[in-house]
Amino acid sequence: GESVGLHLPTLSVQEGDNSIINCAYSNSASDYFIWYKQESGKGPQFIIDIRSNMDKRQGQRVTVLLNKTVKHLSLQIAATQPGDSAVYFCAENEGTNAGKSTFGDGTTLTVKP
Amino acid sequence: KAGVTQTPRYLIKTRGQQVTLSCSPISGHRSVSWYQQTPGQGLQFLFEYFSETQRNKGNFPGRFSGRQFSNSRSEMNVSTLELGDSALYLCASSFDRAGTEAFFGQGTRLTVV
Repeated sequence: GESVGLHLPTLSVQEGDNSIINCAYSNSASDYFIWYKQESGKGPQFIIDIRSNMDKRQGQRVTVLLNKTVKHLSLQIAATQPGDSAVYFCAENEGTNAGKSTFGDGTTLTVKP
Repeated sequence: KAGVTQTPRYLIKTRGQQVTLSCSPISGHRSVSWYQQTPGQGLQFLFEYFSETQRNKGNFPGRFSGRQFSNSRSEMNVSTLELGDSALYLCASSFDRAGTEAFFGQGTRLTVV
C-alpha cells in the first residue's frame, strides 16, 4: 500500500544549529502535506503544511520544501532550540483536507544544549 | 477556544472485554478522525466521521467501530480486546475546509492485560 517514509529515525543537533528532517512519500495522488510535532505524553501538534501546488512554504523558524518530482518533503528548523526536541511526523493526504492522513514513521529530534 | 478533548486519558482492560473511548472535537469542527499509535506500527488511521457518517475507513478489523453524534462528538469502540490493541488512541478534528490541518487530542492510553 501507500506509505510515507522518513529517512532517519533519529537526529541529534546542537542548540542554535539548523535541523533538516526528511520524508519520502509514494502516493502520487497526495495533495496536501503536514508536518506534526509530538512531545512526550501529548498528541501531535501542527507545525506547518503545504499543498501540492507549492514547492516551499515558510513559517516562524520553519520551512517546508516539497519536491513532487522525487516525492520528497523536508522540514527545516532554523536556530534549533531545546524546546524543539520531540518526534516529528510528516503526513500526507489525498485530497486537500486532513481527515485521513497517512503518517510517516517519525524522526526523533534531540537538541543538545 | 477549547481543544480536542479525549476521555478517559488512561484505561486498563482485560482481554476479551470491550471498551468505548470518547472524543469531543473543537467547536465548529465536523470532521473527526481516529488513529492508533503504537511503537511498532506508528500512527495508523482507523476511520473518519463527518456529519455523523463514516467517510473514510482504515485497514482495521471489524472489532473497531465508531460513531459520531449530531454535536460532532465521536466515540470509538473496540470489542473482544486483544493484547495487541494496547496503544495510544488519538482523535483529531478538523474544519474540513481545503488546506486546513487537523488538531489532535492528548489521546487515550489503552492497556490490555
